[in-house]
Amino acid sequence: EVQLVQSGVEVKKPGESLKISCKGSGYSFTSYWIGWVRQRPGKGPEWMGIIYPDDSDTRYSPSFQGHVTITADKSIDTAYLQWSSLKASDTAMYYCARQLRAVATAHDAFHIWGQGTMVTVTS
Amino acid sequence: EIVLTQSPGTLSLSPGETAALSCRASQYVSSSFLAWYQQKPGQAPRLLIYGASTRATGIPDRFSGSGSGTDFTLTISGLEPEDFALYFCHQYGPTPRTFGQGTKVEIK
Repeated sequence: EVQLVQSGVEVKKPGESLKISCKGSGYSFTSYWIGWVRQRPGKGPEWMGIIYPDDSDTRYSPSFQGHVTITADKSIDTAYLQWSSLKASDTAMYYCARQLRAVATAHDAFHIWGQGTMVTVTS
Repeated sequence: EIVLTQSPGTLSLSPGETAALSCRASQYVSSSFLAWYQQKPGQAPRLLIYGASTRATGIPDRFSGSGSGTDFTLTISGLEPEDFALYFCHQYGPTPRTFGQGTKVEIK
């Protein structure tokens, strides 16, 4: 079964760092772009960025560039989203998602989604 | 950035009726790069349609997508009880890729 399994709930304080994970299984991890999507309660999704695990080619939304870092470790089929200094406004559900097709283009719909990681930032 | 505006915000319909959900883009979107997702409470989004009109694997044929340029539509013909949910459109052309704010389809 193709799936993405994300790390668990996080509760952090403003200014703290955080790294959440997304482990792929059931497919060739290095052949598909993986993206990260933020969804605040009651709001639409926001596209944060994507990474191609084979060579770590990464694209960011300007809204998130400089505030988060997307990485991947192809040796363990895992992608990561990290913050060096969290803000209260980072409180949200974060999803990783794999693109539909195993092609070189970075332009594709998200087909396989992780279960989400809820991040709460509160003092 | 391409802004996607979905309408209506909420659609109140009865099972068996047809739902037409609109997604309007602030600038041209290639039909190849427009998708629709369904999301139920507490769940991740599920891909329904990609390339504006191609159903994803396992999606019933009561779901159909159409449109081009700046105007796209998701049609659900003969609503089933499990179709009452939130629906988002998504353009995956120019970076940043963007999502609409969603249309909720609720039981009347």
